[in-house]
This record gives sequence, structure tokens and C-alpha cells, in this order.
Amino acid sequence: AAGVIQSPRHLIKEKRETATLKCYPIPRHDTVYWYQQGPGQDPQFLISFYEKMQSDKGSIPDRFSAQQFSDYHSELNMSSLELGDSALYFCASSLMAALAGVVGRANEQFFGPGTRLTVL
Amino acid sequence: GIQVEQSPPDLILQEGANSTLRCNFSDSVNNLQWFHQNPWGQLINLFYIPSGTKQNGRLSATTVATERYSLLYISSSQTTDSGVYFCAVEFSANTGNQFYFGTGTSLTVIP
Repeated sequence: AAGVIQSPRHLIKEKRETATLKCYPIPRHDTVYWYQQGPGQDPQFLISFYEKMQSDKGSIPDRFSAQQFSDYHSELNMSSLELGDSALYFCASSLMAALAGVVGRANEQFFGPGTRLTVL
Repeated sequence: GIQVEQSPPDLILQEGANSTLRCNFSDSVNNLQWFHQNPWGQLINLFYIPSGTKQNGRLSATTVATERYSLLYISSSQTTDSGVYFCAVEFSANTGNQFYFGTGTSLTVIP
């Protein structure tokens, strides 16, 4: 079965540079989530999108922005990178409750392999 | 926000042993999932279990939503079970839905 695709898998940037991470959800999934996992930490929710509109917002820094496009893929844009931004960035996708509720799997999230960002 | 705490934080098992991992949450949640993060960092879905009991092979899970906890049972553990186990919840806050991972249980299964 098709899974969530993230690119690139690894990224190395210098301080103050910008980075763009991409996420391609599972086909027919309409909701995308972004998470940040620092070394030895649990994943932290950043932001989510449903049907191309921002749905919920977590602890996303102001230097970061994200959007979901007409084909449902999403991009996380990160500017003025700091050393502390070095982390594993996960994208997840799900089928919104209204469509998935009938099979009792509303908002079950499936995660991509992650992008490992290193800021030097 | 909501607190999601897991216990034990670390667990070392002999291959073939059984174990129970616990996830406590401080408020009512809409959804709860269990994940296994393998040594390569992948987050693998184990259970989608906002309530009730489910079983999948050597793994089973129970969520008692009214008492705000969930349990993950691992039987006949194997070395490939090593990794970090997370529970994750969806919580309805005043500002919208929020998603929280627990603190994790790091499991090491030794041959």
C-alpha cells in the first residue's frame, strides 16, 4: 500500500539559511500534519491542514510557514535556520472524520519516514 | 494543555518475556494511537484505539477512556520489538484540535 512520502530524507543547512521540506500524503487522504522531533524527544505537533486550509496550529515558530496545495501535497518552509532547528521532521496524513467515521478510523494518522535536518 | 505520561520510561526484557506499557492522559481525548519508533526513526502504527480492546498478533491494547489511560501489551517479545513506544492523543482545546505524544517507553529486548 502507498505510504506518506517525504523529501528530502536528509538535509544539511547553515545557520540563517532557508529550507523547504515536502510531504506527499497517502492517496485520498485530505489532512496533513507536521511534527518536529528533537534528539531524544517525543514528536511535537507543529501545524495541520485540511482541504488546503490551515486546520490546527501547534508550537510552530514564526520563522516557519506551511501550506497545502491543490494536489494535497504540503510544504514546510523554514527560514533563518538556527542550530536548535536540527531535528527529525515528520509529516503525517489522515482521512478527515466526516469521511472516515463510517469505518471508525477518523483521523488515524500515518507517518512518513521523516526528513532529518541538520543545521551547522 | 494536556499531559501525556508513559511508564516505565525504560524497559529491558529477555527475549520471550511479556510486558505492559502504560499511557496516562490528564484530560478527555478524541483519539489515541500507539506507535513503535524503530531504531531507524520510523514511526509505525500499532493501534488506533480511542476506547476498548484490540489485538494484533503478539500485541494487544486496551484504552479505558473514562479513567484516562491506555495499556499496550507485548507478549513473547523479540529483539525486533526494541525501540521506543509512544502513545499519541488528539485533544480538543479552545483553540482547536491539538496532538500530543507521550513521553515514550524505550524498550530493549536482549537475546
